[in-house]
Amino acid sequence: GESVGLHLPTLSVQEGDNSIINCAYSNSASDYFIWYKQESGKGPQFIIDIRSNMDKRQGQRVTVLLNKTVKHLSLQIAATQPGDSAVYFCAEGYTGNQFYFGTGTSLTVIP
Amino acid sequence: GAVVSQHPSWVICKSGTSVKIECRSLDFQATTMFWYRQFPKQSLMLMATSNEGSKATYEQGVEKDKFLINHASLTLSTLTVTSAHPEDSSFYICSASHRGQSSYEQYFGPGTRLTVT
Repeated sequence: GESVGLHLPTLSVQEGDNSIINCAYSNSASDYFIWYKQESGKGPQFIIDIRSNMDKRQGQRVTVLLNKTVKHLSLQIAATQPGDSAVYFCAEGYTGNQFYFGTGTSLTVIP
Repeated sequence: GAVVSQHPSWVICKSGTSVKIECRSLDFQATTMFWYRQFPKQSLMLMATSNEGSKATYEQGVEKDKFLINHASLTLSTLTVTSAHPEDSSFYICSASHRGQSSYEQYFGPGTRLTVT
């Protein structure tokens, strides 16, 4: 599979602060990216996606930024809440079929 | 909508035996299903892509004779781990794509934890 990695394996933030989770990808041909949230013992949950023809997309309390020049993806969570504590993965796709996941970042929200 | 279930959620088996894991799309028809495995504190690794009615496509390094995948209907895919060994212990997760939708839209099951003793 492709190499998709994260800069920080763990991240701790105070409740109410903003969180930024980063991801680097290696395949410049990737044209679709997704952020997933995974709670312990559960399958991944879709958070937000972005196509390569965009550089920013916003959802509810989340924003994804894509920098194709340096092959970098980030997830911003506004006003982080305890329920946001989980492992976050980025995934890239380029064939319209398979997806490859990054290493993951464990986010801990401190009350 | 777009619910995917897996059964069992947790299974323990003895070394040398085979284990079957089911993945079902409950409220939609899934043209394509994907199987992933995940070791503790690691990422999801794509094992194979399964299209209804055809043979699965395995990722490099995944033994097709060991991980048998069957996708006989638009709502069911099964993964059979044959002659399981302790190193096969892992969290197995399936995902499914809507029929007629882009395969980018994948819905994940809750996962099956396999422990081989």
